[in-house]
Amino acid sequence: DTEVTQTPKHLVMGMTNKKSLKCEQHMGHRAMYWYKQKAKKPPELMFVYSYEKLSINESVPSRFSPECPNSSLLNLHLHALQPEDSALYLCASSQYGGTSPYEQYFGPGTRLTVT
Amino acid sequence: AQKITQTQPGMFVQEKEAVTLDCTYDTSDQSYGLFWYKQPSSGEMIFLIYQGSYDEQNATEGRYSLNFQKARKSANLVISASQLGDSAMYFCAMREGHDRGSTLGRLYFGRGTQLTVWP
Repeated sequence: DTEVTQTPKHLVMGMTNKKSLKCEQHMGHRAMYWYKQKAKKPPELMFVYSYEKLSINESVPSRFSPECPNSSLLNLHLHALQPEDSALYLCASSQYGGTSPYEQYFGPGTRLTVT
Repeated sequence: AQKITQTQPGMFVQEKEAVTLDCTYDTSDQSYGLFWYKQPSSGEMIFLIYQGSYDEQNATEGRYSLNFQKARKSANLVISASQLGDSAMYFCAMREGHDRGSTLGRLYFGRGTQLTVWP
């Protein structure tokens, strides 16, 4: 099973709202990623968690707050977003260690619209 | 400098024909991995194929093959017998370094190629 799930599929929120995106995988992967993708652009890395610890923060504004409650779950808490934060948010996971090609498996994404 | 370059913003191919999507990369590492992903309009990024820098043979996965030319630093994706469902955005990506502990699997993506398959 190479499935990464993300909820919700679509989210519309106002600039004063607080919402959360959720990502889940049951492949035993210990690296998990958040990406932001604007239309017709490649994904941009936001955060990397390795063994449930934040390892990379690509200078993301503090209105985005990641959380990794356990090895299967990854959340992205959103607060006071701007309209330019509207995008597709992708979660991915990858195996950590071993001889596999370390491909990242992506979820279907959450389409976020900030009004 | 861009680490991954995809020079074809759009490609068109007739159903059942083969198509090659270009990708060149730039790295000074001896050990690296090259990936191709497909992204339909639904948004999900689907892993297609992987080539390691030390792999001597070109990678193949079903109708997908990777034409790896190390000296030219190119990793072109060949799709044989195109199908209407192949219409999507295709991204080439690279991971540098063999030690995942140092790179945490960070992927560098190209700008993508929009492939359209027509009947």
